[in-house]
Amino acid sequence: NAGVTQTPKFRILKIGQSMTLQCTQDMNHNYMYWYRQDPGMGLKLIYYSVGAGITDKGEVPNGYNVSRSTTEDFPLRLELAAPSQTSVYFCASSYDGGGEQYFGPGTRLTVT
Amino acid sequence: KQEVTQIPAALSVPEGENLVLNCSFTDSAIYNLQWFRQDPGKGLTSLLLIQSSQREQTSGRLNASLDKSSGRSTLYIAASQPGDSATYLCAPVAGGTSYGKLTFGQGTILTVHP
Repeated sequence: NAGVTQTPKFRILKIGQSMTLQCTQDMNHNYMYWYRQDPGMGLKLIYYSVGAGITDKGEVPNGYNVSRSTTEDFPLRLELAAPSQTSVYFCASSYDGGGEQYFGPGTRLTVT
Repeated sequence: KQEVTQIPAALSVPEGENLVLNCSFTDSAIYNLQWFRQDPGKGLTSLLLIQSSQREQTSGRLNASLDKSSGRSTLYIAASQPGDSATYLCAPVAGGTSYGKLTFGQGTILTVHP
């Protein structure tokens, strides 16, 4: 049982480049989330999804896009990367919005 | 907008002490509240989930209490061990139209010395 997996683990981007962070869960969870965590800070919600085809903005969505075409996958797209997007990105899922959240190991992104 | 504050920001104690970690939140209209543990360089692991109708939830040496009306939750760690060293985060879960959205505090960094 893999749980929540994220790829890549690390990435360095140049300013203006684009990339997609991948997230997959194998627990048949309906809810999926993307967070970012800056050094010494808590997590901030970027986007979340309550099911395939349904996404909504969180607290800090600017500069990001998401899609949810399947229950398992919830990719996060960064367009025109900026240094302010240097952070650790976590994907999470839960069966129900009020249920226990399971987190992936994170992707450490540096934009220079 | 929900705001979450965790006190203290950091705590360093000798092994064996009983600990209290505090979490306060500004919007009491929550669905439930979750406590997480984060080890350095790792993702978060759920420790306890306490429903809004509950007052307490226990798992092993951990006990979480919730006073929804006053916007406070407390995590008690009994007989602390070096393996408890980590960052502890609380996150109230929204209800209503924002159902399922978590708001995280900045965390309490715990160090337990042998």
